[in-house]
Amino acid sequence: SAVISQKPSRDICQRGTSLTIQCQVDSQVTMMFWYRQQPGQSLTLIATANQGSEATYESGFVIDKFPISRPNLTFSTLTVSNMSPEDSSIYLCSGRGGGRSETQYFGPGTRLLVL
Amino acid sequence: AQSVTQPDIHITVSEGASLELRCNYSYGATPYLFWYVQSPGQGLQLLLKYFSGDTLVQGIKGFEAEFKRSQSSFNLRKPSVHWSDAAEYFCAVGAGFGNEKLTFGTGTRLTIIP
Repeated sequence: SAVISQKPSRDICQRGTSLTIQCQVDSQVTMMFWYRQQPGQSLTLIATANQGSEATYESGFVIDKFPISRPNLTFSTLTVSNMSPEDSSIYLCSGRGGGRSETQYFGPGTRLLVL
Repeated sequence: AQSVTQPDIHITVSEGASLELRCNYSYGATPYLFWYVQSPGQGLQLLLKYFSGDTLVQGIKGFEAEFKRSQSSFNLRKPSVHWSDAAEYFCAVGAGFGNEKLTFGTGTRLTIIP
C-alpha cells in the first residue's frame, strides 16, 4: 500500500489569490491524480498528473485554473489559481500502480475556504 | 460514460444492527468496483474492491459487498455495525485503459445510534 500526505491540511484564502497544494507519496507510484470534493458532494476527478509532462485534464477543468506539476514519481503539486468562493472545496491527491487491478490510495485532503 | 448511483443520502442504524448500503452503476464493459469510507476530517480509505472472480467480496472492518451483474449493483453489507462505522461511504467504478479513472457516487452518510 501507499501512504499519501498533503500540505497544507487546510487553508483560508482571499479571492484572487492562488494556493499550491503539495502531495507526497511514500513509495513510487505510476499514476497520481487530483480530485475535488465540493461541500456536501462527491469527488470529481480534476486531472491525471503525468511525470515530466503536462497533466491530463478532465472535461470542465483547465490548466490555467489548476496548473499541476509532477517532477518525480513520488511528488505532485496542484495550484488553485485566481481563487473565488466557488473554489472552496476539499482537494484530494491519490496514487496507484500501473496495473489494471491496482488499488488507488488517497491522501487526507486539503480543506480550502475562499473568502 | 460511466456513472454511479447511491440512492440513499443518509441512513441511520442502531449499533449492533445489520447494514446494507446500495450502489448501482452504469458502465459499458466489465466494471471495476470499489467502496471507500471517509470519516469526518479524514481522507478516503478503501474498504473493498471487485475486479473479477467471486462476486462476493470481503473487505476490511467486517464489510462485504456482492456484485450482481444482472442488477448492475454492488451493495455493501455488514452484519453488525459499531459506533466507529459512522462515516460517509462512497461507491466508485473504475474506467479508462487501466481502470484508473474513478467515478464516484454521491455518497451515503451513515449515522449510528446507541
